[in-house]
Amino acid sequence: DGGITQSPKYLFRKEGQNVTLSCEQNLNHDAMYWYRQDPGQGLRLIYYSQIVNDFQKGDIAEGYSVSREKKESFPLTVTSAQKNPTAFYLCASSGGSYYEQYFGPGTRLTVT
Amino acid sequence: RKEVEQDPGPFNVPEGATVAFNCTYSNSASQSFFWYRQDCRKEPKLLMSVYSSGNEDGRFTAQLNRASQYISLLIRDSKLSDSATYLCVVNSRGNTPLVFGKGTRLSVIA
Repeated sequence: DGGITQSPKYLFRKEGQNVTLSCEQNLNHDAMYWYRQDPGQGLRLIYYSQIVNDFQKGDIAEGYSVSREKKESFPLTVTSAQKNPTAFYLCASSGGSYYEQYFGPGTRLTVT
Repeated sequence: RKEVEQDPGPFNVPEGATVAFNCTYSNSASQSFFWYRQDCRKEPKLLMSVYSSGNEDGRFTAQLNRASQYISLLIRDSKLSDSATYLCVVNSRGNTPLVFGKGTRLSVIA
């Protein structure tokens, strides 16, 4: 089945620790994206990548880092510099005719 | 002015009702338009693309008015399962990030 996978579904970390969220797609899409969603809020773009080995900051990149070494994979690291890391993190990819995006199931990160 | 604006709702409607959501966008160069649906604590899912001539998919009809920079979604014969947040989404250029509205919440009541 083609799609986007994110793991784990739930993640708990202590404050001060870096944590890496996984995102893999087998849709052969060139572009991939990371969003953050807080309760009752809209999506906010963290980073995106339109091609392997290249990525751009989104609206709220501070405290996050990414890599894009393979077309299929776009991991997100939430660093200890991110002040409020607890949130729902969504990965997406696009490459269809109208550039619609498809989302993975998300990772719910809780930092205490 | 926000790039994509939607009425946050909530819209509370009885089963079987017809409900319409509107959305305005600020970038006149926008090229692609979509409606996504997001259930509580789940990822957004593409509901339908919006074409210039308007399009219909079962009980759902989407319209685009480029002159007024306005998109609409009409849901006929609402079902309980239609309860969700509906996101208006716009693409300005190619494979650049989509711009998401904050969503309109719909509750269909028995």
